[in-house]
Amino acid sequence: QQQVRQSPQSLTVWEGETAILNCSYENSAFDYFPWYQQFPGEGPALLIAIRSVSDKKEDGGFTIFFNKREKNLSLHIKDSQPGDSATYFCAASGTGFASALTFGSGTKVIVLP
Amino acid sequence: NAGVIQTPRHKVTGKGQEATLWCEPISGHSAVFWYRQTIVQGLEFLTYFRNQAPIDDSGMPKERFSAQMPNQSHSTLKIQSTQPQDSAVYLCASSFWGEQDTQYFGPGTRLLVL
Repeated sequence: QQQVRQSPQSLTVWEGETAILNCSYENSAFDYFPWYQQFPGEGPALLIAIRSVSDKKEDGGFTIFFNKREKNLSLHIKDSQPGDSATYFCAASGTGFASALTFGSGTKVIVLP
Repeated sequence: NAGVIQTPRHKVTGKGQEATLWCEPISGHSAVFWYRQTIVQGLEFLTYFRNQAPIDDSGMPKERFSAQMPNQSHSTLKIQSTQPQDSAVYLCASSFWGEQDTQYFGPGTRLLVL
């Protein structure tokens, strides 16, 4: 059972454009949604995260839009740069103290100069 | 702060051999997580510890896999009788034990079983 789904699998944008990555989930108990960025040969690194009590979170050029009723969220990468080229993972976990993350399958983003 | 340290970075074993992977969490973090990453299955949770005690091992294969955390400065993941399907990147992450605290990942150990 794939509890966290991501789309598209890959995305190519031009430098300066906004990249939009989508994520949906099935488990209503999920209430914490971090997005991780991963470069080849490295471990994932937290980019930005949102809790289900919020519907929007911004940090620099990254924005999460969250729709609890529809169980989906999206990550917008504004003014994309070639250095943003990476794989982005949507993840989810439940309430309470530190618990395991359930990851989506990832979106590979390529930003062309 | 050196971040999460994982050793070795690469390991090649023959089918049937044992592999031991090491993780040193960030100093002061009390939760340690192990994940496995493959092209086909993606990022999968294996197990985690809090204050060295095992909390959830629901993702661990029932046979051949075991994890320990003998002290607060390191954890090990041991795979006995390795099989080609065990080939993956094994990732360790650590966090504070707080509500939904950030998990910081190490660079991973790339295991190849021939």
